[in-house]
Amino acid sequence: GQQLNQSPQSMFIQEGEDVSMNCTSSSIFNTWLWYKQDPGEGPVLLIALYKAGELTSNGRLTAQFGITRKDSFLNISASIPSDVGIYFCAGPRGYGQNFVFGPGTRLSVLP
Amino acid sequence: DTEVTQTPKHLVMGMTNKKSLKCEQHMGHRAMYWYKQKAKKPPELMFVYSYEKLSINESVPSRFSPECPNSSLLNLHLHALQPEDSALYLCASSQGRLYSTGELFFGEGSRLTVL
Repeated sequence: GQQLNQSPQSMFIQEGEDVSMNCTSSSIFNTWLWYKQDPGEGPVLLIALYKAGELTSNGRLTAQFGITRKDSFLNISASIPSDVGIYFCAGPRGYGQNFVFGPGTRLSVLP
Repeated sequence: DTEVTQTPKHLVMGMTNKKSLKCEQHMGHRAMYWYKQKAKKPPELMFVYSYEKLSINESVPSRFSPECPNSSLLNLHLHALQPEDSALYLCASSQGRLYSTGELFFGEGSRLTVL
C-alpha cells in the first residue's frame, strides 16, 4: 500500500534558523497535505498542495509538491519557539477519503 | 479554536466498562472520521462516515462501534476494551466531496486510558 516517509525524524534548531523537511512516497499522490500537531492537541492543517510543481506559502511556511508527485517539501523560515511540534505530511490513498499520514518530523527550537 | 468539539477530553475506564466518545462539528461538513493515535506515532484511520453512512472501516475490532446520528454528530462506543487500546482518539471532519481534497479539520482529541 501507499506509505509515506519523512525526514528528518527529529531536529533541534536555534531560534531564527530556517528549517527544511521532506516527505516521500512509494507511489504517486494527487494531493499533499502538511499538518502540525502540538502536544495534547489535534493536528492542524498548515498547507494543502494539489498540483505537481505547485509552491504554496502560508506566512513563514512554504511547501512544494514535487514534480514526480512522489515527494513534498516543507520549509519554515526564521523559526520561533511556537514552531515546536510534530509536522506530519499526509495524502489520500487513491481518490477516496482514506488519508495516510507520514511518521512525522519532531521539531525543537532552542532559544 | 477548533470547530470540531470532542468530549470528554480525558476518559479512564476499566476493561468491563461501556463508555462513549462524542464529536460534533457545525461546519456543514458531510464526512466525519475517527483516528487513533498512539504516543509518538501518526494518526491511524479507524472509520469514515460519508453522508451519514459508514464508508470505511479499517478492520477495527468490534469492541469499537461507531455511530453517526446526523451529519453534525459522530460517536464512538467503547466496550470491553484492552489496555493496549489506550490512546488519543481524534475526530475529524471534511467537506465530504466524492474526491475529497483532504482538508481534514481535527478536534483536540479524547485521551483514553484503559485499566
